[in-house]
Amino acid sequence: EPEVTQTPSHQVTQMGQEVILRCVPISNHLYFYWYRQILGQKVEFLVSFYNNEISEKSEIFDDQFSVERPDGSNFTLKIRSTKLEDSAMYFCASSTEGWGYTFGSGTRLTVV
Amino acid sequence: AQSVTQPDIHITVSEGASLELRCNYSYGATPYLFWYVQSPGQGLQLLLKYFSGDTLVQGIKGFEAEFKRSQSSFNLRKPSVHWSDAAEYFCAVGGATNKLIFGTGTLLAVQP
Repeated sequence: EPEVTQTPSHQVTQMGQEVILRCVPISNHLYFYWYRQILGQKVEFLVSFYNNEISEKSEIFDDQFSVERPDGSNFTLKIRSTKLEDSAMYFCASSTEGWGYTFGSGTRLTVV
Repeated sequence: AQSVTQPDIHITVSEGASLELRCNYSYGATPYLFWYVQSPGQGLQLLLKYFSGDTLVQGIKGFEAEFKRSQSSFNLRKPSVHWSDAAEYFCAVGGATNKLIFGTGTLLAVQP
């Protein structure tokens, strides 16, 4: 069964550093998403991406965050200057149409 | 405001017993409703979804859910729980956009 692949599975970074989380969506999918889950809290929407542009973003997705689909297969989330409160599990997802989501297994980001 | 409430943070059931996980939603338009399961260290796996039509929906792993518009509920059920069902379960709602709003989750423990 096709999968959404996220790398790395765990990343530790120092506060203030830039971090890039990588995702390989399912190849024929057209919609891409990032969600995050702070430990012990609910899964929260960050951003959706379609046709090479952001289609929706949440209040969390401020200027420190950016997304890119650099080469037609990868989908990345960049956090420009990490803060302690960015520590969370970040999930990538993709879908062919709006609601056929497949989630990746996540990247656990720890900011120290 | 759009929201999902899962009133039970933690539930313990005996193996072979029936299960019902509660979910209530608040959504201004016609909701699309979902249940996801997350095993430790894993991503989010879709159990089932409701868009329209028959209000009782069948999902994977023997789960079903019933949409009750009058109660704004979408409770998840399973007639006989297996030890492998121990996981965290998330209810989510979506609508006109492709953004999912998640509940805080219910952690299911299964006693032998």
